[in-house]
Amino acid sequence: DGGITQSPKYLFRKEGQNVTLSCEQNLNHDAMYWYRQDPGQGLRLIYYSQIVNDFQKGDIAEGYSVSREKKESFPLTVTSAQKNPTAFYLCASSPKTGREQYFGPGTRLTVT
Amino acid sequence: AQSVTQPDIHITVSEGASLELRCNYSYGATPYLFWYVQSPGQGLQLLLKYFSGDTLVQGIKGFEAEFKRSQSSFNLRKPSVHWSDAAEYFCAVGFRGGGNKLTFGTGTQLKVEL
Repeated sequence: DGGITQSPKYLFRKEGQNVTLSCEQNLNHDAMYWYRQDPGQGLRLIYYSQIVNDFQKGDIAEGYSVSREKKESFPLTVTSAQKNPTAFYLCASSPKTGREQYFGPGTRLTVT
Repeated sequence: AQSVTQPDIHITVSEGASLELRCNYSYGATPYLFWYVQSPGQGLQLLLKYFSGDTLVQGIKGFEAEFKRSQSSFNLRKPSVHWSDAAEYFCAVGFRGGGNKLTFGTGTQLKVEL
């Protein structure tokens, strides 16, 4: 089955530690995205990538980093510089010629 | 800057009743419009999309939406709600020349009373 996988579903970390969230897609989509979701705030774009080895900051990139070494993979690192990292993180992808985005199941990160 | 407004944070309807969820956008360019649904703890599922052409679009699960350019709106409707429709609904907008970036509304939580 084609789709987007995110792992793990739940992630717990201590404050001050960096953590990497995985996102893999087998849809052959060119573009990939990372969003953060907080209650009452909808989805906010962290980073996006339209082609391999290239990515752009979204609206709330501070404290996050990404890489895009393979078309299928777009991992997100939440660094210790992110002041409030506890949130639900969603990865999405879209085809080159399409406009709609398809979402993974999400990772809930809790930092204490 | 573009923005999307979903004025209703929570809506409660009885099973079998009709539903309309509101979405207004602020854009200078011709928009692409989407509705997504999210169950608790899950990702978002695309319900329907509008790019051009017929302003009334049909989606999955019996949903439809109508694009009204004069009102900058893209309201989601369903003639008869089922208990399984209880979820959070998000409107999203993109525009030509904006790549594939979307701006999302803050969502409307739908509760269905049996």
